[in-house]
Amino acid sequence: GIQVEQSPPDLILQEGANSTLRCNFSDSVNNLQWFHQNPWGQLINLFYIPSGTKQNGRLSATTVATERYSLLYISSSQTTDSGVYFCAVKESSARQLTFGSGTQLTVLP
Amino acid sequence: KAGVTQTPRYLIKTRGQQVTLSCSPISGHRSVSWYQQTPGQGLQFLFEYFSETQRNKGNFPGRFSGRQFSNSRSEMNVSTLELGDSALYLCASSLGLLAQDTQYFGPGTRLTVL
Repeated sequence: GIQVEQSPPDLILQEGANSTLRCNFSDSVNNLQWFHQNPWGQLINLFYIPSGTKQNGRLSATTVATERYSLLYISSSQTTDSGVYFCAVKESSARQLTFGSGTQLTVLP
Repeated sequence: KAGVTQTPRYLIKTRGQQVTLSCSPISGHRSVSWYQQTPGQGLQFLFEYFSETQRNKGNFPGRFSGRQFSNSRSEMNVSTLELGDSALYLCASSLGLLAQDTQYFGPGTRLTVL
């Protein structure tokens, strides 16, 4: 099956800093989603982005499908951005999401 | 529009018991998927239901089962609980079966097996 690798595994920032999270995947995908898992465990949808670039406030994402990677940008980090960020993909032959292992982001005040 | 809801939110069981978790999808969504999250294995796909039929199944033993009702609500059952079944169980709903359909997750049920 498809492999999904996220980097870095852990990231500690000061409030106000910018960050880039990366997701590499091993095969073609027709669905890619970024999630933020809050401290209570819920996965919050950030982006559906199998290709191209999207922006939502301080967050933006870019997926280069031909090179099999996606980037999540967080600008002007806030303490409420802390949590785990997951990338999840659906490969062309499957319907379920395959998740990466996540990036644990800690934003310090 | 209300999001995906899951009940109960927390559950404590002992080894050998069975448990049933419930998931109500977003109104109009007909596909429901279940995932298990553990510190060691991360997020893993359990199964997917659409129109009351299991359409896809992950690599879990037969102790894990599920069903979907005509109103798209879904339940999953775990029989003969083991310590390793302690996990956060997440339910996700989507409009249908298209690969491009976005999945939306509920708050999860945290199961502890003692």
